[in-house]
Amino acid sequence: DIQMTQSPSTLSASVGDRVTITCRASQSIRSWLAWYQQKPGKAPKLLIYMASSLESGVPSRFSGSGSGTEFTLTISSLQPDDLATYYCQQYNSYPWTFGQGTKVEIK
Amino acid sequence: EVQLVESGGGLVQPGGSLRLSCAVSGFTFSTYGMGWVRQAPGKGLEWVSVISSSGFATYYADSVKVRFTISRDNSKNTLYLQMNSLRAEDTAVYYCAKARAVGATAPFDSWGQGTLVTVSS
Repeated sequence: DIQMTQSPSTLSASVGDRVTITCRASQSIRSWLAWYQQKPGKAPKLLIYMASSLESGVPSRFSGSGSGTEFTLTISSLQPDDLATYYCQQYNSYPWTFGQGTKVEIK
Repeated sequence: EVQLVESGGGLVQPGGSLRLSCAVSGFTFSTYGMGWVRQAPGKGLEWVSVISSSGFATYYADSVKVRFTISRDNSKNTLYLQMNSLRAEDTAVYYCAKARAVGATAPFDSWGQGTLVTVSS
């Protein structure tokens, strides 16, 4: 199975900061990577698919990059509404797997 | 508007069975792959299973293989998850979710609100 490792596990940043979350795959997943945002008590929301494609309706401050085994999710200017946990997920091969999550806190 | 509504969760004893349902509306159910994802209390997301649009192809996480069965009834716009031999570690909120693309491997772009399954004596 492909293991997905996110870093950091938690990050604290100020409104307006640029925030970067990293996701590493244990083997190449080409560009078959998605990013989700989950707010407390809510279902996850798809932000990015195919590593860098922005899902419809998602603010342009979110962006994704990478291929192979290393990927990043960037929030260009952190907003209070971005308080959430973020997960990467590979869908290159079954079983699909999620990273352990990165909790974003607002300073 | 796409809607997914799970039901069937509840308290079950270890070794017991439960069947979850997910009623969908707002899209052509028979043309999209569907899946289940779970989240144990205070923990991260765990992918559980996926089924193709036709229902002929199914895939499972190692942790549930053999014990869980995913299925769908395209005439009723409903997705199912039959869970047998339940264990304490299966305790979680179970989400049903829709693939974002027709006829292709794709991540989940729409999710239900989740249904809680508690396995305890």
